[in-house]
Amino acid sequence: DIQMTQSPSTLSASVGDRVTITCRASQSIGNWLAWYQQKPGKAPKLLIYEASTLESGVPSGFSGSGSGTEFTLTISSLQPDDFATYYCQQYNSYSGGTFGQGTKLEIK
Amino acid sequence: QVQLVESGGGVVQSGRSLRLSCAASGFRFSSHGMNWVRQAPGKGLEWVAVIWFDGRNKYYADSVKGRFTISRDNSKNTLHLQMNSLRVEDTAVYYCARGRKQLVLFDSWGQGTPVIVSS
Repeated sequence: DIQMTQSPSTLSASVGDRVTITCRASQSIGNWLAWYQQKPGKAPKLLIYEASTLESGVPSGFSGSGSGTEFTLTISSLQPDDFATYYCQQYNSYSGGTFGQGTKLEIK
Repeated sequence: QVQLVESGGGVVQSGRSLRLSCAASGFRFSSHGMNWVRQAPGKGLEWVAVIWFDGRNKYYADSVKGRFTISRDNSKNTLHLQMNSLRVEDTAVYYCARGRKQLVLFDSWGQGTPVIVSS
């Protein structure tokens, strides 16, 4: 099974900061990597798929990069609404997907 | 717009069964793979099961294989999850999630239904 490892687990930052979250896969997944945002008590929301394609309606301040086993999510300038938990997920197989453990983005 | 509404959650004793449902609307249900994803209290997301658009293929996480069964009724735009032999560690919010085409990529989610398994 493919394991996904995110870092850091928690990130403290301020409005306006540029932040980067990393996700590593235990084996190559090509670019079959998605990022989700989840706020407390809410369902996750798809932000990015195919490692770098922004989902419709997602602000352009979000970007993704990487391929193979190393991926990053970058928020160019943090907005108050961006403080949430972020998950990466591999969907390399039709038979299931695996999430990273999550990164909680907190206000410093 | 896409709408997914889960139901059927509740409190159940360990070893018993529960059946979750997800009512879909706003899109062509029969064209999409559908999934269940769960989240234990204070924990991360865990994919549980997927069923292909036509119901012919189903896959499960190892943690639920042999105990849970995913099914769908394309005539009623409904997804189900039959959960048998429930364990305390199955306690979670269960989300219904639409797959983008046939990918295990979740582009729409329901609001979730809580399942609490007591010992």
